Amino acid sequence: AQSVAQPEDQVNVAEGNPLTVKCTYSVSGNPYLFWYVQYPNRGLQFLLKYITGDNLVKGSYGFEAEFNKSQTSFHLKKPSALVSDSALYFCAVRAYNFNKFYFGSGTKLNVKP
Amino acid sequence: EAGVAQSPRYKIIEKRQSVAFWCNPISGHATLYWYQQILGQGPKLLIQFQNNGVVDDSQLPKDRFSAERLKGVDSTLKIQPAKLEDSAVYLCASSEQDNQPQHFGDGTRLSIL
Repeated sequence: AQSVAQPEDQVNVAEGNPLTVKCTYSVSGNPYLFWYVQYPNRGLQFLLKYITGDNLVKGSYGFEAEFNKSQTSFHLKKPSALVSDSALYFCAVRAYNFNKFYFGSGTKLNVKP
Repeated sequence: EAGVAQSPRYKIIEKRQSVAFWCNPISGHATLYWYQQILGQGPKLLIQFQNNGVVDDSQLPKDRFSAERLKGVDSTLKIQPAKLEDSAVYLCASSEQDNQPQHFGDGTRLSIL
């Protein structure tokens, strides 16, 4: 069965500090992995994806994520957080040979000035 | 490019009434998704279309929910009759192909009284 877990409901970080939002997944075969961000009363916006290739993926707004096959993880990172990064972040997974996407339950990121 | 358009943005109905949501995907996107996002949770896939054919509707409550994508462009999602537990945001998304990032509309917030 395919699934994705975001173990932290909320992450608090000070502006200027590095941030990490965690994601682990379970999928049969090779995964397609995605991160999305959601601002209040808006739909989800795509940040970055891993399909194949380099394990470190760079995306929008200075975010990056590292694919770790042995730990089945795809953590989202940013070297220096901004207050404007405060939002809800979702990890999503899809097996390469299976059509359905699965989203995590979301992590609320709070960046304090 | 124009984004995914959804209407209405908000809808309030009483239980046992019917409601319909409309989605116009990004031009040229073959894949269209409807998701249900309950407050505090990640999006749950209800139905996925590839052009005008259904790829996955395994999580669609077919006794009350229906969806169609005539001509492979815009789509409607209907609930009849509505239940209290249907209160949620209904998100429409589209992508060029089913393994590509999804572009989301801003959703329809449904409240059942």
